[in-house]
Amino acid sequence: AQKITQTQPGMFVQEKEAVTLDCTYDTSDQSYGLFWYKQPSSGEMIFLIYQGSYDEQNATEGRYSLNFQKARKSANLVISASQLGDSAMYFCAMRVPRNTPLVFGKGTRLSVIA
Amino acid sequence: GAVVSQHPSRVICKSGTSVKIECRSLDFQATTMFWYRQFPKQSLMLMATSNEGSKATYEQGVEKDKFLINHASLTLSTLTVTSAHPEDSSFYICSARDVQGFYNEQFFGPGTRLTVL
Repeated sequence: AQKITQTQPGMFVQEKEAVTLDCTYDTSDQSYGLFWYKQPSSGEMIFLIYQGSYDEQNATEGRYSLNFQKARKSANLVISASQLGDSAMYFCAMRVPRNTPLVFGKGTRLSVIA
Repeated sequence: GAVVSQHPSRVICKSGTSVKIECRSLDFQATTMFWYRQFPKQSLMLMATSNEGSKATYEQGVEKDKFLINHASLTLSTLTVTSAHPEDSSFYICSARDVQGFYNEQFFGPGTRLTVL
């Protein structure tokens, strides 16, 4: 069975600075997908970034990048130039295999300080 | 990205009543939809997988007769909480997979906050 671990219940970051949110995963499958979602206080789940297990390069989407270290089974999210609007819950998720539902970590609450 | 709507966004009901929540994929067809439940300050827990035209697959510990799921069309799935009790109060989120999507990712509805008095 697959498992996602997010060890940081809460994080604080100064506005305009970068922050890394940790995520480790466990699976015996060779093919899998890793996702990060943002959940603001409104409750909606916003897709941020995706990394496939066979992707050789780290995924990037604007200010978001995914630090994918396959051997260590980690998929950390890096947010550059933090903004106040980045304050939210962030969930790491995995899908194995392609048509199965996402499995989520417990999430990290990020607070951006002005 | 693809859009998933969910209705109602918020519902308050008396104990013993049934509540129906609708989930629609607005601009794509979803053969598979997922229903999650989220308690305050916790992660999303998968309740069931809904497949169009067939019976839903429930996760262990989820009561099938309590949480009725119907996926009658490629764009609509409904979750009915039958005889709701205060312990059913939670945030319910549906999700649909766009198989045509580049990442085959799941798109989420805005959620329904259920409060049972």
